[in-house]
Amino acid sequence: DIQMTQSPSSVSASIGDRVTITCRASQGISSWLAWYQQKPGKAPKLLIYAAFSLQSGVPSRFSGSGSGTDFTLTISSLQPEDFATYYCQQANSFPYTFGQGTKLEIK
Amino acid sequence: EVQLVESGGGLVQPGGSLRLSCAASGFTFSSYWMSWVRQAPGTGLEWVANIKQDGSEKYYVDSVKGRFTISRDNAKKSLYLQMNSLRAEDTAVYYCARGGYCSGGSCYSINWGPGTLVTVSS
Repeated sequence: DIQMTQSPSSVSASIGDRVTITCRASQGISSWLAWYQQKPGKAPKLLIYAAFSLQSGVPSRFSGSGSGTDFTLTISSLQPEDFATYYCQQANSFPYTFGQGTKLEIK
Repeated sequence: EVQLVESGGGLVQPGGSLRLSCAASGFTFSSYWMSWVRQAPGTGLEWVANIKQDGSEKYYVDSVKGRFTISRDNAKKSLYLQMNSLRAEDTAVYYCARGGYCSGGSCYSINWGPGTLVTVSS
């Protein structure tokens, strides 16, 4: 199985900050990488697919990059509604696997 | 508007069975891969199973193989997860999700239901 490792596990930031979350795959997954946002008590929401493609309706302050084994999610200017937990997921091969999550908190 | 609504969760004893359902609307259900993803309390997400549009291909995480069965009824626009031999570690919120941007069997979960809670406990 492909293991997905996110860092950091948690991060504190302020409104307007730029934040970067990284995700590393244990083997190459080409660009089969998604990023999801989850708020407490809610279902996850797709933000980025195919490593860098922005899902319809997602603000342009979210961006993704990377290929192979190393990927990043960047939020260019944090807004209050962005405080949540973020997960990466590989869809290159079964079983699909998620990273352990990164909790983004208000400083 | 795409809607996915799970049902069938509840409290079940270890070794018991439960059948989850997911009612879909707002899209052509028969045209999409579908998934189940779960989340144990206070933990991260775990993909459980995928099923192809016509049900001809199914994939499972190792921990549920031989115990869980994913199925679908395209006429009823419904996805199912039959869960047998349930264990305490199966306790989780179970989400159904619609697959999108697919290539072969590789898809992303583009829409999610609100989830249904399964608790396995004596």
